[in-house]
Amino acid sequence: AQSVTQPDIHITVSEGASLELRCNYSYGATPYLFWYVQSPGQGLQLLLKYFSGDTLVQGIKGFEAEFKRSQSSFNLRKPSVHWSDAAEYFCAVGVTGGGNKLTFGTGTQLKVEL
Amino acid sequence: DTEVTQTPKHLVMGMTNKKSLKCEQHMGHRAMYWYKQKAKKPPELMFVYSYEKLSINESVPSRFSPECPNSSLLNLHLHALQPEDSALYLCASSQSAADNYGYTFGSGTRLTVV
Repeated sequence: AQSVTQPDIHITVSEGASLELRCNYSYGATPYLFWYVQSPGQGLQLLLKYFSGDTLVQGIKGFEAEFKRSQSSFNLRKPSVHWSDAAEYFCAVGVTGGGNKLTFGTGTQLKVEL
Repeated sequence: DTEVTQTPKHLVMGMTNKKSLKCEQHMGHRAMYWYKQKAKKPPELMFVYSYEKLSINESVPSRFSPECPNSSLLNLHLHALQPEDSALYLCASSQSAADNYGYTFGSGTRLTVV
């Protein structure tokens, strides 16, 4: 079965600094990979997704992620963080024939210092 | 319309009550999902509906009863819940359950069982 690991429970960055959130997956074939963001008490919003092709994926709100098969990783990056980016970030994996069932990582809580 | 609408936003119910959660989307999506999210945890899949038929039940207790009356509407009927069922219940939809398109989530119903 597929699984997702987000090694960092909490990350604090200063506003304007760069950001990288880590995500590692476990799956025998090429997975479908997603990053979602959740503000307190809210639902999840899709930031970006990777299915195939170009391994550098651009998303909304200035986020990007890079799929690295050799490292089984799909890290999320942003060159300059804004205070409004403070939220919980979830990496998720889906698999072919999985009925569009997503398995979510445990999340990374991002705090932005002004 | 690019939203998934969930009602109510908050619900407090006793252990002997019967209540229902409602989810609606008008994006023409043919797959709809119920997820449960406990505090500080990732969402966990409960049910998947594809073309108005239940396709995945993740061994959810029978006190949770899903219903999909039409392609735009998804209900979750609740009966005889336990305090440990208190959580954020998230509805999501996607174009199809046949592949991994990614979800559009609603903002959730915060359920408290007393």
